Amino acid sequence: DADVTQTPRNRITKTGKRIMLECSQTKGHDRMYWYRQDPGLGLRLIYYSFDVKDINKGEISDGYSVSRQAQAKFSLSLESAIPNQTALYFCATSDFGSSGADPQETQYFGPGTRLLVL
Amino acid sequence: QKEVEQNSGPLSVPEGAIASLNCTYSDRGSQSFFWYRQYSGKSPELIMFIYSNGDKEDGRFTAQLNKASQYVSLLIRDSQPSDSATYLCAVLTGGGNKLTFGTGTQLKVEL
Repeated sequence: DADVTQTPRNRITKTGKRIMLECSQTKGHDRMYWYRQDPGLGLRLIYYSFDVKDINKGEISDGYSVSRQAQAKFSLSLESAIPNQTALYFCATSDFGSSGADPQETQYFGPGTRLLVL
Repeated sequence: QKEVEQNSGPLSVPEGAIASLNCTYSDRGSQSFFWYRQYSGKSPELIMFIYSNGDKEDGRFTAQLNKASQYVSLLIRDSQPSDSATYLCAVLTGGGNKLTFGTGTQLKVEL
């Protein structure tokens, strides 16, 4: 099974609708992230969470909200979707400062959610 | 100035050649540098990381870091068509709390 899963994988919605994208991980990592990717703009950070009680805005948080329901779950909501939120959304996790083999802040990405807002 | 800059490409190389991908960064305090590979429509996957000045080799991949010049590169030897992808440079900035990605360089390996 995949370590980082995202649901749904594809979503079409209409302007003004509220939608939620969900992310779950089995890696036991504390840190979780939401990114969006647009052609020519690369990966841009929306929100991130270093533990269950910690939520931080990224560079493009306007129009989005998040909830960290548990260490393993981090959801992203679009309260009122608009067409320019059409993008590929990725969830990622990392285990900063672990004593494991991975270096600090190696991020592991979910498979992505392709969102189309009409 | 962008925090992490890459040439968007596409960079085209013939099969078997060396592909050289470059990245510059603006935060002199950056300590950790990563290369991710992303196939079209797929998620990024880590292929290399480097902390220290100099070269780090892993199979056909070599990462090179020059902190004085704020420059990190990725060399792919014996390029294969399966290497065709977008390569993302990422730099750990903000005191180690933020991973900033470049926009990626598209690599095409031609038969």
